[in-house]
Amino acid sequence: SAVISQKPSRDICQRGTSLTIQCQVDSQVTMMFWYRQQPGQSLTLIATANQGSEATYESGFVIDKFPISRPNLTFSTLTVSNMSPEDSSIYLCSVEQTGPETQYFGPGTRLLVL
Amino acid sequence: DAKTTQPPSMDCAEGRAANLPCNHSTISGNEYVYWYRQIHSQGPQYIIHGLKNNETNEMASLIITEDRKSSTLILPHATLRDTAVYYCIVISGAAGNKLTFGGGTRVLVKP
Repeated sequence: SAVISQKPSRDICQRGTSLTIQCQVDSQVTMMFWYRQQPGQSLTLIATANQGSEATYESGFVIDKFPISRPNLTFSTLTVSNMSPEDSSIYLCSVEQTGPETQYFGPGTRLLVL
Repeated sequence: DAKTTQPPSMDCAEGRAANLPCNHSTISGNEYVYWYRQIHSQGPQYIIHGLKNNETNEMASLIITEDRKSSTLILPHATLRDTAVYYCIVISGAAGNKLTFGGGTRVLVKP
């Protein structure tokens, strides 16, 4: 399976600021996904990021708040903009590998907004 | 995608087999059963998946009933490190699957 890393692993931020989270995978993948896990909750998909096209956002998530970049087949970023304490969560990226189609997850970025 | 139902929690003894049930009565013919687990403070880990045949790998076995309306994940010899939340997810085999995580089963392995 793919080896996925995320930076930063954790951060404490002030409200009103923005944080960009990086996701790096050790092999080329077409599909990458970004999830959010709020405290005590399960994972919720934010958006799907394919290389060469705009990210597709799930209901309740908008590009202005969570802009995503996907410059190549091994890298993606998620920005959490104009943060509020409600954005305190774990943010996870995942990649899909074929044969069969299975998602593998990064270690997550733990964000606390004060 | 079909919805799944799992017990919210279960305990099991270290060294014994852990049998985790999942109901997916509305599963359709092209949908697979996937299992993931999330150990505290880590990203979800893929365990196993199957369509209709039983499957086994180095981590676990997956038993799917003949009518495919339910399945059981078996951890043959549970260890303390298997303490985690286990998620059963039903999705089609197409590319770009969106994983929908329910509440899962919180498994506590006790010495």
